[in-house]
Amino acid sequence: AQKVTQAQTEISVVEKEDVTLDCVYETRDTTYYLFWYKQPPSGELVFLIRRNSFDEQNEISGRYSWNFQKSTSSFNFTITASQVVDSAVYFCALSSYSGAGSYQLTFGKGTKLSVIP
Amino acid sequence: ETGVTQTPRHLVMGMTNKKSLKCEQHLGHNAMYWYKQSAKKPLELMFVYSLEERVENNSVPSRFSPECPNSSHLFLHLHTLQPEDSALYLCASSQEAGLAGSGELFFGEGSRLTVL
Repeated sequence: AQKVTQAQTEISVVEKEDVTLDCVYETRDTTYYLFWYKQPPSGELVFLIRRNSFDEQNEISGRYSWNFQKSTSSFNFTITASQVVDSAVYFCALSSYSGAGSYQLTFGKGTKLSVIP
Repeated sequence: ETGVTQTPRHLVMGMTNKKSLKCEQHLGHNAMYWYKQSAKKPLELMFVYSLEERVENNSVPSRFSPECPNSSHLFLHLHTLQPEDSALYLCASSQEAGLAGSGELFFGEGSRLTVL
């Protein structure tokens, strides 16, 4: 069984502060994929990033960066110089092959980020 | 038009009503999904369709009945629901179901369902 834990239920920061959203996962598979999605108040989940288990390079995209560490089974997400538009619920997700050509995608419970102006 | 469109955005229904949720994707994808998002719970996968065939059903109660008439449209028919079925129902699509894990999902804005 696979599991994704986002221990932070809600986080509030003041605009321009940096914030890190934690994600810890469990899986027995050696090949898997990790994702972050953003869910703004409008409701739709927006894909942010996908990493595969063989690529531990950290990634930076503008104000967003991701730290993937297999040794601690973590895939943390940092927003630098946060903005009000970053306010949303952020979901970490894990996918691994479940046989018969399909993947099992497991989401964490999400972290609600509020950026205060 | 946005990639995945869901209607209605909000729905209130009694336990004896029959209603349907509709999802349409304009991305040329071959796989479509229904997810349920309840308060304080992880997103739950309900159904997966690949090329209009149901490939996964995660033990969803029969009061939820999906229909996929073509690769662009997905329906969720609702019948004699319970108050605990109140949730945000999200539709998603991906290029292929087999790549759902290695590829990205494109979500609609969801249909907020309230069962009285």
